[in-house]
Amino acid sequence: DTGVSQDPRHKITKRGQNVTFRCDPISEHNRLYWYRQTLGQGPEFLTYFQNEAQLEKSRLLSDRFSAERPKGSFSTLEIQRTEQGDSAMYLCASSLAGGSKETQYFGPGTRLLVL
Amino acid sequence: GQNIDQPTEMTATEGAIVQINCTYQTSGFNGLFWYQQHAGEAPTFLSYNVLDGLEEKGRFSSFLSRSKGYSYLLLKELQMKDSASYLCAVRADYKLSFGAGTTVTVRA
Repeated sequence: DTGVSQDPRHKITKRGQNVTFRCDPISEHNRLYWYRQTLGQGPEFLTYFQNEAQLEKSRLLSDRFSAERPKGSFSTLEIQRTEQGDSAMYLCASSLAGGSKETQYFGPGTRLLVL
Repeated sequence: GQNIDQPTEMTATEGAIVQINCTYQTSGFNGLFWYQQHAGEAPTFLSYNVLDGLEEKGRFSSFLSRSKGYSYLLLKELQMKDSASYLCAVRADYKLSFGAGTTVTVRA
């Protein structure tokens, strides 16, 4: 058990609907990351927070995607007007800046299916 | 950009040894990680190398050569539960860039 939790674990939605995912990092970790993984591929970086500040967004993250970490603890990832190409596993990870190796620990992921 | 290559699949027998190679060409380097991922689950941390050489951790060892852009993960005394995908990831600054993963199948 890595301590990172994500909710929901699975989400099925119709094309055009909005969805929101939540990530609760390991409590003392100040860095939080979102990745997306499709079948047969490794995770791809989407965005990164240090405390409440969003410091980088990948070019993969279109304008339909928005992420927040309002109090520097949990984070949400919202996808507006979902498309079938958004179907993937969305993984959250957290780390402690300056910690040993600064290892990123992953949550169980939210598997999204857009019909 | 980042380019990380690893074999797609490997098969080995229970009790044997398997070596998974990873080559990388990245803009920036701040450590190389290996993760294990069982189907439908999150990646779990296995090992970390930032200096050249071998890091040993029980049945798993990882090697790094920064000048060659090369790493390997060595799995010894394979067990059925080791059947999984193994992901090589390079950290540049703070974010990880992953290879596509190597699916290892352990046969009885």
